[in-house]
Amino acid sequence: RKEVEQDPGPFNVPEGATVAFNCTYSNSASQSFFWYRQDCRKEPKLLMSVYSSGNEDGRFTAQLNRASQYISLLIRDSKLSDSATYLCVVNTRGAQKLVFGQGTRLTINP
Amino acid sequence: GAVVSQHPSWVICKSGTSVKIECRSLDFQATTMFWYRQFPKQSLMLMATSNEGSKATYEQGVEKDKFLINHASLTLSTLTVTSAHPEDSSFYICSARDLVRDRDDYGYTFGSGTRLTVV
Repeated sequence: RKEVEQDPGPFNVPEGATVAFNCTYSNSASQSFFWYRQDCRKEPKLLMSVYSSGNEDGRFTAQLNRASQYISLLIRDSKLSDSATYLCVVNTRGAQKLVFGQGTRLTINP
Repeated sequence: GAVVSQHPSWVICKSGTSVKIECRSLDFQATTMFWYRQFPKQSLMLMATSNEGSKATYEQGVEKDKFLINHASLTLSTLTVTSAHPEDSSFYICSARDLVRDRDDYGYTFGSGTRLTVV
């Protein structure tokens, strides 16, 4: 079983739609959680951290359920510029390295 | 915020030759640098963790004699792909975190990546 698993995608949604991604992690010692965005042939860039209390940044909302070891990302009012691959990333307590999910490819259509 | 500069952006080399990739932390000291590899349509896979002044720690299945890592200073880490073969063609990315300025939730800063093609 992969340590971090994501919806395989791809997701193709019209502009303005709301889209949600899910992610599960297997290591209960995981401590920090992130969503990264990666554009084609580019490096990943931090989109937002994820907290147990849930957090929102503009049109983006992230949720963490530690009991279920489940992370989600919600994008409202999607824009064409949101087209990218979204990576669920986990960091384990005591370790510095990041573990990446395979990513979910999102395409927003006009 | 923290910046990591990675060079070259892309390189094409002949099979059997060696290629060096550099990553520099521009405005912070990177005690630890991480090296990842990403094949098309796959996620980033950690290859090794580079520590300044000591030997790198390699992930299972990564050949340390093939992927030489040198972390010569607090701002420079290099990855050398030795005797490259076409199956080594991939996107190589380094990453580090500014432990002094960044909180845990700031994540890590990535270099811009190096696209290696071995012909």
